[in-house]
Amino acid sequence: GQQLNQSPQSMFIQEGEDVSMNCTSSSIFNTWLWYKQDPGEGPVLLIALYKAGELTSNGRLTAQFGITRKDSFLNISASIPSDVGIYFCAGLIQGAQKLVFGQGTRLTINP
Amino acid sequence: NAGVTQTPKFQVLKTGQSMTLQCAQDMNHNSMYWYRQDPGMGLRLIYYSASEGTTDKGEVPNGYNVSRLNKREFSLRLESAAPSQTSVYFCASSEAAIAKNIQYFGAGTRLSVL
Repeated sequence: GQQLNQSPQSMFIQEGEDVSMNCTSSSIFNTWLWYKQDPGEGPVLLIALYKAGELTSNGRLTAQFGITRKDSFLNISASIPSDVGIYFCAGLIQGAQKLVFGQGTRLTINP
Repeated sequence: NAGVTQTPKFQVLKTGQSMTLQCAQDMNHNSMYWYRQDPGMGLRLIYYSASEGTTDKGEVPNGYNVSRLNKREFSLRLESAAPSQTSVYFCASSEAAIAKNIQYFGAGTRLSVL
């Protein structure tokens, strides 16, 4: 099936640092979603992107829909302890009915 | 507003036992989904229901069956559980299975098959 390659798989950073992660694919997407999963919980939507080149912010989080429509990026500025969790990208391939998920990026923050 | 509710939260089964995972949403969404989450694998789609009365296979349907009981409820059944089905199961719902498909997730069911 279609695959999304999400990187990095894990990150260990100091509180206050900025974070960047991305997802790439060989397929063209018309929707990109970024979710965060806290331990023991289900994924919660952070940002939704619908147009190539779109740049959207949600507080300290900023995500971009890549120009080629094959990738997306998520940045977190000035990380804080509650940013800890697993971040997933998900994309809807053009014409498809099902989201495809990346493998996740596990973020750990040292205070 | 509960959103997506899954029961049970935890379950331990012996190999060969059967069970049904329940999911209900109160957002009047048309589409519902079942995923499993395994370490390093992200979320993999088991089955989905684009609208009431329809169900379709996802990426990993073998060993599972589903029922879209009504617009609110979508259940996942394991007829004869196997250790390979040890996983965390998530139900999700969305307004529609196309275009701006924002899926909302339940808190998950943690299943162990011994």
